Amino acid sequence: DTEVTQTPKHLVMGMTNKKSLKCEQHMGHRAMYWYKQKAKKPPELMFVYSYEKLSINESVPSRFSPECPNSSLLNLHLHALQPEDSALYLCASSVREQGWNEKLFFGSGTQLSVL
Amino acid sequence: DAKTTQPPSMDCAEGRAANLPCNHSTISGNEYVYWYRQIHSQGPQYIIHGLKNNETNEMASLIITEDRKSSTLILPHATLRDTAVYYCIVTGTASKLTFGTGTRLQVTL
Repeated sequence: DTEVTQTPKHLVMGMTNKKSLKCEQHMGHRAMYWYKQKAKKPPELMFVYSYEKLSINESVPSRFSPECPNSSLLNLHLHALQPEDSALYLCASSVREQGWNEKLFFGSGTQLSVL
Repeated sequence: DAKTTQPPSMDCAEGRAANLPCNHSTISGNEYVYWYRQIHSQGPQYIIHGLKNNETNEMASLIITEDRKSSTLILPHATLRDTAVYYCIVTGTASKLTFGTGTRLQVTL
């Protein structure tokens, strides 16, 4: 299994809603990532988890709350989002966080629309 | 991480080789050149990476100049399914990829 699975594929939420994005991999990878991609722009790193601990937070607003309950699962909890947060949210994993020989495996993303 | 410069778009006829250039004149000695691509509505996909030697795998070849200031990704026989945005990334650690604007490759019949 070389897949990173993200659910849901599409999500529409209001600014007062609370929702969660889910990401799962069964490749035994110990590093997992959240990226955000606005339309026609390149992906931007948000968070990195290494061995279930938050390793990197790229100064992301607190309305985005990541969680890594176990080595296979990564969640992104959303609360009080703004319309400008509408984007494609991508999850990725790699064997480890550090190292020049690491390849990132990406999921297909969750397309989020905030109304 | 070193910055990269790529042409915004390129066209290639199906069956021909697609040669995608990347300039990275400020690359440092411990930084690698990575290529990823993103097909519309999908997540990025790893293609290949290298340090200073040329590399080849089942997807593509990577040619890095001797001074390491530029590289070329070669798709030997482009197909319509290779239409995508191709990102050249230079980094010392692959775990913190910084994507540039990439090259939009259009493969046509």
